[in-house]
Amino acid sequence: DAKTTQPPSMDCAEGRAANLPCNHSTISGNEYVYWYRQIHSQGPQYIIHGLKNNETNEMASLIITEDRKSSTLILPHATLRDTAVYYCIVRAYTGTASKLTFGTGTRLQVTL
Amino acid sequence: DTAVSQTPKYLVTQMGNDKSIKCEQNLGHDTMYWYKQDSKKFLKIMFSYNNKELIINETVPNRFSPKSPDKAHLNLHINSLELGDSAVYFCASSPYRVNEKLFFGSGTQLSVL
Repeated sequence: DAKTTQPPSMDCAEGRAANLPCNHSTISGNEYVYWYRQIHSQGPQYIIHGLKNNETNEMASLIITEDRKSSTLILPHATLRDTAVYYCIVRAYTGTASKLTFGTGTRLQVTL
Repeated sequence: DTAVSQTPKYLVTQMGNDKSIKCEQNLGHDTMYWYKQDSKKFLKIMFSYNNKELIINETVPNRFSPKSPDKAHLNLHINSLELGDSAVYFCASSPYRVNEKLFFGSGTQLSVL
């Protein structure tokens, strides 16, 4: 699986958009980009995933660059409840059980 | 209803004891997992079962033995607990042959004294 690089921490004011970058310069053509988050003391929560097109759901938007070497997770209107560690994971869809590997992620602090 | 539930939430025990953690999912998923999150917050997969069959075993000491009585349940039994086993253990489930959308439980914090 391709390695990902994320900033260790970021701050965002409540109500503003939070843009979390992820670098995955060695990504292969069949590898998806997944985002999870872990709010303190809880289990990780799936947010969104994509292959090459931009994706949006009720939680966030995922923007993947045309060369697929980086992506950005966008929380359009961050709230205090979005304070969490956000993990960017690159993984090929193998049709078998997942071996998702979580890195160190980005700790997002949303402030008043 | 909680989708993936684990019990107990907290487990404090002495070295050398044997303990179990239980996990149940009501999502109808075929695949269940155990993950371990250590003190440095690294989250690593330990085991995965699909329809009661072990399909992932990530070089975990054989003191750890998962058991899946049916596809909705995956328990983790740990023998001869050691200090280094202290961690948060997360259960998760996913639909088999679907992408990597895992649903995690809220974790069991194990403290070995």
